[in-house]
Amino acid sequence: GAGVSQSPSNKVTEKGKDVELRCDPISGHTALYWYRQSLGQGLEFLIYFQGNSAPDKSGLPSDRFSAERTGGSVSTLTIQRTQQEDSAVYLCASSLWPAAGYEQYFGPGTRLTVT
Amino acid sequence: TQLLEQSPQFLSIQEGENLTVYCNSSSVFSSLQWYRQEPGEGPVLLVTVVTGGEVKKLKRLTFQFGDARKDSSLHITAAQPGDTGLYLCAGAPLLGATNKLIFGTGTLLAVQP
Repeated sequence: GAGVSQSPSNKVTEKGKDVELRCDPISGHTALYWYRQSLGQGLEFLIYFQGNSAPDKSGLPSDRFSAERTGGSVSTLTIQRTQQEDSAVYLCASSLWPAAGYEQYFGPGTRLTVT
Repeated sequence: TQLLEQSPQFLSIQEGENLTVYCNSSSVFSSLQWYRQEPGEGPVLLVTVVTGGEVKKLKRLTFQFGDARKDSSLHITAAQPGDTGLYLCAGAPLLGATNKLIFGTGTLLAVQP
């Protein structure tokens, strides 16, 4: 079946503009995660959705960042008034929970460049 | 705060050499996963280990979960250029948000032909 997809694959924006990043998880996966990754580094957790529960927003770096998940499927990560330090690869992952091992399946990421 | 420290951070070796990557924490995990990420792609799951002391083999890759479930290692035998990538370990906390993985700091491996 189809894996996790993300769009756009690359986004270049000017400082101060808003951006929206989209994630389509694997069908049937109830959990969805957003991460941020700087060049060659590990993953920084941003936000997590699980079914109809309130999202875990504990990783969002500032109130300029927000995310929503509509209908328990597609998710959108929005960054308002982008700053240069927001430049990174934004990864989305989904998982089938509960599931032994809590494996996550990642999309290819959106590379965001703020000029 | 739960942390997973990986070592080494960078590793550049010749084709055919062996290597080991370590993933260490002071916290106990219910399971631990290893992912490999290639440039321009998202991480891809390699293996999940669940039981303390568990050893899993995937062709030339051997994964071990520590007896106390606080650490893990990845050993690659006779490395090949196709093994090049960023290796990430990730642990599922035993308590609290058990489905919110804690990711390691990453090991960037380059295998030269």
